[in-house]
Amino acid sequence: EIVLTQSPGTLSLSPGERATLSCRASQRVSSSYLAWYQQKPGQAPRLLIYGASNRATGIPDRFSGSGSGTDFSLTINRLEPEDFAVYYCQQYGGSPPISFGPGTKVDI
Amino acid sequence: QVQLQESGPGLVKPSQTLSLTCSVSGDAISNRAVYWTWVRQRPGQGLEWIGHIYYIGDTHYNPSLASRLTISVDTSKNQLSLRLSSVTVADTAVYYCARVRRNSYYSLDVWGQGTTVTVSS
Repeated sequence: EIVLTQSPGTLSLSPGERATLSCRASQRVSSSYLAWYQQKPGQAPRLLIYGASNRATGIPDRFSGSGSGTDFSLTINRLEPEDFAVYYCQQYGGSPPISFGPGTKVDI
Repeated sequence: QVQLQESGPGLVKPSQTLSLTCSVSGDAISNRAVYWTWVRQRPGQGLEWIGHIYYIGDTHYNPSLASRLTISVDTSKNQLSLRLSSVTVADTAVYYCARVRRNSYYSLDVWGQGTTVTVSS
């Protein structure tokens, strides 16, 4: 079973600052099957990054993803007020085939 | 524009079976490039993958739910369904259906708005 760990649990920042979120897997995530999602209160998650570093359609370029193997990160440059939310990483290919990390809350 | 819409009873009694439907528009359930999946979120908690299905009926389930779970598709209605038997209060959650794009590194690129299910007598 691949377990995803996200850190920190909460990130307190101000608009305009940079956020760096970490996602660590207990085993290698094959072929960079790692995605990032943003979720705001009362809303469904929204895909931000797939394949570890590819921005999904319509996602601003201040969002970027990197990493491989077991260590991945999501960077948000110049935080906008609408970026304050919870962020989840997700892997595919382990057992179970899909799993999510516990989330990182980015708040003001 | 692909849209997913979950529907089902908002309240289910303990020990009963929860049944949800996800109606898909803008894409075909029989699209060979995607899986269709269910994800839930307990109150105040993170995301939990429930299971997914390929249009030909191949399924993968979360082992923690597999003994109670059935996911199916109806290609004539362009819908997928979830049945979870013997529910308890621990099954109270928002249930989402989502599309998994195989050629986008198996990411969940389209989500329904979610439907809230409460298990209570």
